[in-house]
Amino acid sequence: QKEVEQNSGPLSVPEGAIASLNCTYSDRGSQSFFWYRQYSGKSPELIMFIYSNGDKEDGRFTAQLNKASQYVSLLIRDSQPSDSATYLCAVTGTGNQFYFGTGTSLTVIP
Amino acid sequence: DAGVTQSPTHLIKTRGQQVTLRCSPKSGHDTVSWYQQALGQGPQFIFQYYEEEERQRGNFPDRFSGHQFPNYSSELNVNALLLGDSALYLCASSLVRSPTGWQDFGPGTRLTVL
Repeated sequence: QKEVEQNSGPLSVPEGAIASLNCTYSDRGSQSFFWYRQYSGKSPELIMFIYSNGDKEDGRFTAQLNKASQYVSLLIRDSQPSDSATYLCAVTGTGNQFYFGTGTSLTVIP
Repeated sequence: DAGVTQSPTHLIKTRGQQVTLRCSPKSGHDTVSWYQQALGQGPQFIFQYYEEEERQRGNFPDRFSGHQFPNYSSELNVNALLLGDSALYLCASSLVRSPTGWQDFGPGTRLTVL
């Protein structure tokens, strides 16, 4: 059974602060790792994608991957109220299907 | 360039009925995956289709079946609907040879079972 674990939150941060979201996974064979943002009732929207150990930065977002520890994280700098959403961590299985965590609810307080 | 499309947007059914959901993949994609997302949960993998065959299947009963057509579009069928089948159903398309496993998601179909 492939498992992806996330802190369900809710996580609240003040506007302008750094939000840190964490995810662990059980399948050492997972190759690709994705962070999606999902607004209530909407489809997941891709935020970041990473497959190499280390950091990957894209604007205010930084994804960090540590395959040895089976850990992937997402940092959101200068958090904005529009960042308030549920953030889903997804890892790929052997057939490239996605295994998702339950999501972390983030609220950015103005 | 159209992305992944799904129909219908919303659907209301009663217990015991059957439902068919439809998905058109992003242009150029050849693989379609289906996910079920219950309220407050992450999406759960149902199955994946490539070359009109089911390649992978998650932990879902046989009531859930699918089909892929020669134009790569896909259908998800659910028989003998249960209240617990109420969820957002997401379709995602990808390329089978993608080294990253990147998937594009459609807007989803919201199924309510009464």
